[in-house]
Amino acid sequence: DAGVIQSPRHEVTEMGQEVTLRCKPISGHNSLFWYRQTMMRGLELLIYFNNNVPIDDSGMPEDRFSAKMPNASFSTLKIQPSEPRDSAVYFCASSWDRIRSGANVLTFGAGSRLTVL
Amino acid sequence: AQKVTQAQTEISVVEKEDVTLDCVYETRDTTYYLFWYKQPPSGELVFLIRRNSFDEQNEISGRYSWNFQKSTSSFNFTITASQVVDSAVYFCALSEKSSGNTGKLIFGQGTTLQVKP
Repeated sequence: DAGVIQSPRHEVTEMGQEVTLRCKPISGHNSLFWYRQTMMRGLELLIYFNNNVPIDDSGMPEDRFSAKMPNASFSTLKIQPSEPRDSAVYFCASSWDRIRSGANVLTFGAGSRLTVL
Repeated sequence: AQKVTQAQTEISVVEKEDVTLDCVYETRDTTYYLFWYKQPPSGELVFLIRRNSFDEQNEISGRYSWNFQKSTSSFNFTITASQVVDSAVYFCALSEKSSGNTGKLIFGQGTTLQVKP
């Protein structure tokens, strides 16, 4: 298996532009997570999907952020409009979680480094 | 509230030295899971170990060992005979069973380990 695939790996954009980050989870995994990593706040969970359904989006910073999972093999995280404070590394992770016990091991993608000028 | 503290921001050792990375956690749950992840310079997060709250046995895997002590709420990680390839950021993380529905994994701030030749 190729692991969790994220694209783009690097994105530089200007303030106000729309940014779309993409993720392909590991085949067979039923849970998908979007995390954001910054120097100031470390790793933060943005949103969690289970069986393609958003379960918890309480970590999404504000309405400018939205995430979708139209099918089991694809998810997007969109920022519109982008701001300089959104600059961070965004990680997608997936896992197989049958009983939502909190014990599942996450497999992370390589991350998408976003710079908003 | 759940919290993970990695008090050591950066550690620098010379190759072949032993090094211990500290992790202290806070939780009110009786059932929880502790993790260590490694983030090498390439950026992705790599799973190292998971322990559940009912298993305090120490674990050894090659040069890596983990010491879990509920009495002090600690889950420390020791690398024996460190190598340059061990240079990375290491994250300790906590997941509570009660948060199983949210998929929330709480990360510490990370410890940057530099192993010099």
